[in-house]
Amino acid sequence: AQSVTQLGSHVSVSEGALVLLRCNYSSSVPPYLFWYVQYPNQGLQLLLKYTSAATLVKGINGFEAEFKKSETSFHLTKPSAHMSDAAEYFCAVSDPTAGGSYIPTFGRGTSLIVHP
Amino acid sequence: NAGVTQTPKFRILKIGQSMTLQCTQDMNHNYMYWYRQDPGMGLKLIYYSVGAGITDKGEVPNGYNVSRSTTEDFPLRLELAAPSQTSVYFCASSYADRQETQYFGPGTRLLVL
Repeated sequence: AQSVTQLGSHVSVSEGALVLLRCNYSSSVPPYLFWYVQYPNQGLQLLLKYTSAATLVKGINGFEAEFKKSETSFHLTKPSAHMSDAAEYFCAVSDPTAGGSYIPTFGRGTSLIVHP
Repeated sequence: NAGVTQTPKFRILKIGQSMTLQCTQDMNHNYMYWYRQDPGMGLKLIYYSVGAGITDKGEVPNGYNVSRSTTEDFPLRLELAAPSQTSVYFCASSYADRQETQYFGPGTRLLVL
């Protein structure tokens, strides 16, 4: 069984500053890992995902994440925050259920606040 | 291509009432999911389906029922609504599992009073 921990329910940065959102997972097998973003009053949409092809994954809107097996982490970064990045970010991990399907489990989310 | 659509967008229920949340996808996806989102708690899986006629319980299925008679539709039924079911409900779909991307609907906000 898997679990996902997102450190910090809120992260506040200034516009132009580095964004770092943390995600740690536990899984009994090599997992598939995802970052989703949720803008106010909308559903979630995919930012990026790790599927074992490359440990550094680039996503939309300048975001990237690095899979570190030794640290069981998949932190999300962006070099320079924009006001439009203000949103809720969710990390998710997918590994097998008892029935053999891979159903994602989501972290509690991190709210990114961007100050002018 | 509308993606995943959900109706209604918002609903107020009285305790003990029942209702069905509708979800439809037009991407011919095999997998469909229902989640509830509560503040600070992330998304909790209620039920999921891997294909028409096949459904399975998620983490928080009590008080809910689902059916999957077609590939496109995956309605969520609330029987005897309780205040604890006040939440935002999201339907999602994906072509398969493992590394496949989930596509989410816009959500249904439900208030049980």
